Amino acid sequence: DAMVIQNPRYQVTQFGKPVTLSCSQTLNHNVMYWYQQKSSQAPKLLFHYYDKDFNNEADTPDNFQSRRPNTSFCFLDIRSPGLGDAAMYLCATSRSPGLALETQYFGPGTRLLVL
Amino acid sequence: GDSVTQMEGPVTLSEEAFLTINCTYTATGYPSLFWYVQYPGEGLQLLLKATKADDKGSNKGFEATYRKETTSFHLEKGSVQVSDSAVYFCALSTSFGNEKLTFGTGTRLTIIP
Repeated sequence: DAMVIQNPRYQVTQFGKPVTLSCSQTLNHNVMYWYQQKSSQAPKLLFHYYDKDFNNEADTPDNFQSRRPNTSFCFLDIRSPGLGDAAMYLCATSRSPGLALETQYFGPGTRLLVL
Repeated sequence: GDSVTQMEGPVTLSEEAFLTINCTYTATGYPSLFWYVQYPGEGLQLLLKATKADDKGSNKGFEATYRKETTSFHLEKGSVQVSDSAVYFCALSTSFGNEKLTFGTGTRLTIIP
């Protein structure tokens, strides 16, 4: 039944050591999103893919990159994690960008700890 | 910029109590409004939505009415159950075709038997 899958659920990395978080979906949706959610804060959109078109939020640090090799998979790469990057990372999908009519489906999230 | 302000939690209620979680927003244009719920260990799920003023979204006994005059979208339920324990997020999207959801900080709800 899993529709948006995130692996791993918990990730520990070292300060400055590159880390990759993965997301896959079985919904065949066109749009995939990555959000960052710090403790007791609102989820914040980092970027999204509409098919192969990458859309970066203006305030997303360059340290965060993303790849979408095919419809089903999307990766979040953090090139040099800092202590401030410790957070829950949420992946979501939607069929199209029209939020008034379309629902975003979220995965369970990956909690990243930076030592 | 766009923002969503939610009632601070945590909120603890007894089973069968009436629930209100307040949400107000600031946005340019005419936003669509959403409530998402996050059960323990799971991702966010859309609970209900409203796309224009005076619309009422409803699902699973929860309701929220889009009030343009008060810029509010308060979540209500007449009789809560233990299974409603979760974190609730209010969110908005400012224009049709805008991919970006702006979330509130979430309200943790705990229902005790």
